[in-house]
Amino acid sequence: KNQVEQSPQSLIILEGKNCTLQCNYTVSPFSNLRWYKQDTGRGPVSLTIMTFSENTKSNGRYTATLDADTKQSSLHITASQLSDSASYICVVSAGNMLTFGGGTRLMVKP
Amino acid sequence: EAGVTQSPTHLIKPRGQQATLRCSPISGHTSVYWYQQALGLGLQFLLWYDEGEERNRGNFPPRFSGRQFPNYSSELNVNALELEDSALYLCATRAERGPNTGELFFGEGSRLTVL
Repeated sequence: KNQVEQSPQSLIILEGKNCTLQCNYTVSPFSNLRWYKQDTGRGPVSLTIMTFSENTKSNGRYTATLDADTKQSSLHITASQLSDSASYICVVSAGNMLTFGGGTRLMVKP
Repeated sequence: EAGVTQSPTHLIKPRGQQATLRCSPISGHTSVYWYQQALGLGLQFLLWYDEGEERNRGNFPPRFSGRQFPNYSSELNVNALELEDSALYLCATRAERGPNTGELFFGEGSRLTVL
């Protein structure tokens, strides 16, 4: 069964600090992995999309890594800002089938 | 270029009635996905339409149904509403060509409240 597990479920950090969110998956056959940011009550917005051959991809202060061997991905947020407070969702594709992780709820405090 | 648009933004319905939610995809996107997100929970897959056909559905009862029109817009219908249907319903559409092929773009959602 295709599954995507994210950890931690929730995280509180101080503004300016770094943090790393984890995503482990058992999806086959793997097509790509996406990280989305979802503000409360809004639709998710794409941060990065990674294919099998990509190990690292950055989008501003967000850096995603992918280890296709261990089936793990991480999202690193550098110098966090209050606006980073949101849920971060990992989505893994197997062709047209998408499997969503439960998300990590991040709160950045001043 | 307009993004994925959903309507209505908010909808309040009594238990037992029907709700209809609508989604207009980004121009050129032919696939439409519907998701349910209950408060504080993750996204649950509801339905996937592509080229006017239902391609897959999630683990939801038959009172959740929908369709896709020739212009690729889509409608989600929820019949015999129950209190636990209260949720944010998100529509997403896929790019089938170009640099963002496979990328999923979400609308802002329709908040359904069942009283």
